[in-house]
Amino acid sequence: AQTVTQSQPEMSVQEAETVTLSCTYDTSESDYYLFWYKQPPSRQMILVIRQEAYKQQNATENRFSVNFQKAAKSFSLKISDSQLGDAAMYFCAYRGSNSGGSNYKLTFGKGTLLTVNP
Amino acid sequence: GAGVSQSPSNKVTEKGKDVELRCDPISGHTALYWYRQSLGQGLEFLIYFQGNSAPDKSGLPSDRFSAERTGGSVSTLTIQRTQQEDSAVYLCASSHDRRNYGYTFGSGTRLTVV
Repeated sequence: AQTVTQSQPEMSVQEAETVTLSCTYDTSESDYYLFWYKQPPSRQMILVIRQEAYKQQNATENRFSVNFQKAAKSFSLKISDSQLGDAAMYFCAYRGSNSGGSNYKLTFGKGTLLTVNP
Repeated sequence: GAGVSQSPSNKVTEKGKDVELRCDPISGHTALYWYRQSLGQGLEFLIYFQGNSAPDKSGLPSDRFSAERTGGSVSTLTIQRTQQEDSAVYLCASSHDRRNYGYTFGSGTRLTVV
């Protein structure tokens, strides 16, 4: 079974600074997808960024980027120029490939609570 | 609709009562998921619906939990004889199964069993 581990229950960063959230996972599959979700107090999970395992290039979405190390099974999220609105719980998630008709459920880590200090 | 809608937003119920939680997925999304988020925990998979296929119920924690999806759209999660350990946020998500990006989540139902 796949597992996702986020070793940092809480992190804090000064506004305008950069912070990196860690995530490791365990899988025997070679093709899969990785995601970072943000959950503000409104509770809605918002997709921040995704990475396909077959792509070597790290995904980037504006101030958010990932460092995907497939061999190490590591998928960290870097937030640059942190803003007050970035404060939220961040979840790393894994999903297997679509091949073979397998289901598409996401496996989540336990989350990292990010505080942004003004 | 434009997003995934869940109702009620909050529900307080007495131990032993039954509750129904509703999810309206995005129109055209064939896949629908229910997750449970307990305090301080990540999201725990409960059940998955895909089109007309038999649902994947492997995550349901006990036989007090059941879910159905009518007409391939709206889904209802039912918890019978609620217990205090059922208190959690129940999140619904939907996705278009031919696309390989993450789901769209609703804002969840916070269930409190007293």
